[in-house]
Amino acid sequence: GAVVSQHPSRVICKSGTSVKIECRSLDFQATTMFWYRQFPKQSLMLMATSNEGSKATYEQGVEKDKFLINHASLTLSTLTVTSAHPEDSSFYICSARQDKNTEAFFGQGTRLTVV
Amino acid sequence: GESVGLHLPTLSVQEGDNSIINCAYSNSASDYFIWYKQESGKGPQFIIDIRSNMDKRQGQRVTVLLNKTVKHLSLQIAATQPGDSAVYFCAENRRQTGANNLFFGTGTRLTVIP
Repeated sequence: GAVVSQHPSRVICKSGTSVKIECRSLDFQATTMFWYRQFPKQSLMLMATSNEGSKATYEQGVEKDKFLINHASLTLSTLTVTSAHPEDSSFYICSARQDKNTEAFFGQGTRLTVV
Repeated sequence: GESVGLHLPTLSVQEGDNSIINCAYSNSASDYFIWYKQESGKGPQFIIDIRSNMDKRQGQRVTVLLNKTVKHLSLQIAATQPGDSAVYFCAENRRQTGANNLFFGTGTRLTVIP
């Protein structure tokens, strides 16, 4: 299957700082990228969908000013958690798909811990 | 063994037995479904998919069944192995304004007993 690389895999940051997570599709062009959040022993919750060159579409309840998403190219999307707080600690996962009716491939996930 | 993804989130099976993991989806307009396997601390891994114009699809040791009438999906794993131990999610592709988004079910933790 196609490869999606997510970086960093783990990050610890201080409360009030911002953290950027990168998601890259390595061997295909991703017209759409998704960002999910996952709490322990729970399912993946879709946060937002981004299409290359356009603004991200956020799911209800997700603060777009707090979770900034940029999809600048067909192979890169970034999620920036701004002014992070301990309650933002979670496992963040990106995925990418080439076409809208094909499988999405997932990155390895980023474990964010805000202290 | 069998499980219902929403009500019985854990399933234990003996090595070599067949496993059946169930999933109920909510949106009748969903047209594409995917099963993913997630190991601890990793991102989901694609297993098999099925489109809404099919009711069965087979892969290597896995079969997905789709019943659109009752909005139900199942994943069958033949001759379950210890390496199959993981959490399994079904995902439905929902057509929304301007996008097709993937939404995940609750998940079922499969434990294979050697």
